[in-house]
Amino acid sequence: GAGVSQSPSNKVTEKGKDVELRCDPISGHTALYWYRQRLGQGLEFLIYFQGNSAPDKSGLPSDRFSAERTGESVSTLTIQRTQQEDSAVYLCASSQLFNSPLHFGNGTRLTVT
Amino acid sequence: GENVEQHPSTLSVQEGDSAVIKCTYSDSASNYFPWYKQELGKRPQLIIDIRSNVGEKKDQRIAVTLNKTAKHFSLHITETQPEDSAVYFCANKFYFGSGTKLNVKP
Repeated sequence: GAGVSQSPSNKVTEKGKDVELRCDPISGHTALYWYRQRLGQGLEFLIYFQGNSAPDKSGLPSDRFSAERTGESVSTLTIQRTQQEDSAVYLCASSQLFNSPLHFGNGTRLTVT
Repeated sequence: GENVEQHPSTLSVQEGDSAVIKCTYSDSASNYFPWYKQELGKRPQLIIDIRSNVGEKKDQRIAVTLNKTAKHFSLHITETQPEDSAVYFCANKFYFGSGTKLNVKP
């Protein structure tokens, strides 16, 4: 019964580079969510996956951001041409169903220099 | 969050006092209302939740109340302790409130 696992835990990248963040949800959880949390701020919704349905991408801040999930397994969040304002902790969460408790990973701290 | 508002943004209480945090939501079809606690440098964790078929739920010193007519739900912490100091978030669907930083003074 491992929890939600995210990698890497820390990522430092130069402005303009692409980065890929990974999330391994809890086995059997059909729903997966990505959030961005800037220092001292709240949880900004990015994208939601539910099973094999089309994802809700309404929170993605620009077309530089994209995410994929295959079935009910691993998800990757990709940020292209990173900017300094992308610096934040990116949190992934999964839940058994929609409208059930979210279980968060420890996040990936992204620093864009 | 897009459809959930949380107040206050900061709350300072003396140890032993009660703390109340309130959230309002806009979607009248919502039926699940959770609260999360995030300690400094850690991930958010669920502390209590309520579904729309009940009006109140308690778990030791914490409780959540729901008013579906007014579309708001509140977190109540009684007999606060220093370890209750953290940021608390309400959520509705996949949107989170802006958070309440609770400081419990010893």
